[in-house]
Amino acid sequence: ILNVEQSPQSLHVQEGDSTNFTCSFPSSNFYALHWYRWETAKSPEALFVMTLNGDEKKKGRISATLNTKEGYSYLYIKGSQPEDSATYLCAFMNRDDKIIFGKGTRLHILP
Amino acid sequence: DTGVSQDPRHKITKRGQNVTFRCDPISEHNRLYWYRQTLGQGPEFLTYFQNEAQLEKSRLLSDRFSAERPKGSFSTLEIQRTEQGDSAMYLCASSPPWGGEETQYFGPGTRLLVL
Repeated sequence: ILNVEQSPQSLHVQEGDSTNFTCSFPSSNFYALHWYRWETAKSPEALFVMTLNGDEKKKGRISATLNTKEGYSYLYIKGSQPEDSATYLCAFMNRDDKIIFGKGTRLHILP
Repeated sequence: DTGVSQDPRHKITKRGQNVTFRCDPISEHNRLYWYRQTLGQGPEFLTYFQNEAQLEKSRLLSDRFSAERPKGSFSTLEIQRTEQGDSAMYLCASSPPWGGEETQYFGPGTRLLVL
């Protein structure tokens, strides 16, 4: 059974603090790992697509790492801002083009 | 706007009625996906098209659900004899041909409420 787990489920972070959360996925038949940001009433927005073990990607204050051998990815946000409040989804894609999403981490930035 | 569009954005229907949703992907994207998302869950995969061919269909998709992409461009998702459990957000996403960029671009979704 393919399962993608995200933790924590929900997170409250003080504005200005840095934070990170985890996505765990099957380590076999891996093709790609996606991170999306999903704000209420909007479409999920693609943040990163990572394919190689050891990949690190960065977009402004947000970065992500990938470990395909152990099946996890971390998303980091540096110096959280109110506009970072959203649900962060990860999605695992295998070589059969099967895509499984995690349930997301709901991030709330406290002013 | 050259993003993925979905229509309608909201649909309220009575149990037992049929509903149809439409998705218009980004024009050069040949891959199209339908997902369903309920409260507290991530998007659940429903079905996948490559051009006009429906390559994969989730077991979540009962006989009451059918999806088409007749000309390899827009797609429709029809739910027949709707049930209250069908209430959810239905998301469509598209992506470029396999081997290129793997990012999926999502539409705004159609929120279905079955009374």
